[in-house]
Amino acid sequence: GAVVSQHPSWVICKSGTSVKIECRSLDFQATTMFWYRQFPKQSLMLMATSNEGSKATYEQGVEKDKFLINHASLTLSTLTVTSAHPEDSSFYICSARSPGSAGEKLFFGSGTQLSVL
Amino acid sequence: QKEVEQNSGPLSVPEGAIASLNCTYSDRGSQSFFWYRQYSGKSPELIMSIYSNGDKEDGRFTAQLNKASQYVSLLIRDSQPSDSATYLCAVNLWMNAGKSTFGDGTTLTVKP
Repeated sequence: GAVVSQHPSWVICKSGTSVKIECRSLDFQATTMFWYRQFPKQSLMLMATSNEGSKATYEQGVEKDKFLINHASLTLSTLTVTSAHPEDSSFYICSARSPGSAGEKLFFGSGTQLSVL
Repeated sequence: QKEVEQNSGPLSVPEGAIASLNCTYSDRGSQSFFWYRQYSGKSPELIMSIYSNGDKEDGRFTAQLNKASQYVSLLIRDSQPSDSATYLCAVNLWMNAGKSTFGDGTTLTVKP
């Protein structure tokens, strides 16, 4: 199956700093990637849809100025959590849709555990 | 009403038994259905996909879809302790271009 790499796996930062998370499709080109957030014992919450070469589409209630998404190439999307605060601590996961895969299967990155002190 | 609902769980079965996980969805326009397995602290991995009514088998896993009843299930035969995880049901509308709606998940524990 398609491989999606996410980096870093975990990050600890001070309140007020910004954190960048990278999501790469290693063996295919992904025109669309998705960013999710997951709190403990809860399901995935879609934050935004990242489209190569255009602005991301954010879900209702997600602050676009706080969660900056850049999809500058067909293999890389980044999520930057700006001015992070403790309430932003969560598990962030990206996924990509492999072109040609029937039924829109998603391949997930390994996730990034963010802890804001 | 949630768009995708799953058994609240947790579900516990003995090793070797059949585990049955259920999912209902609200949008009749849904076209593709997926089951993902997620171990604690890890990201989800795709187990099964199903697009048409009926059963689809893959090893110990069988997905069942009934669009008229808006119901999809996952059966795990000969359950193993390694199957202990949270199982997420996901549903897609074709127009949403891969934007899946996930259920809250059902946590399965298989006891040796």
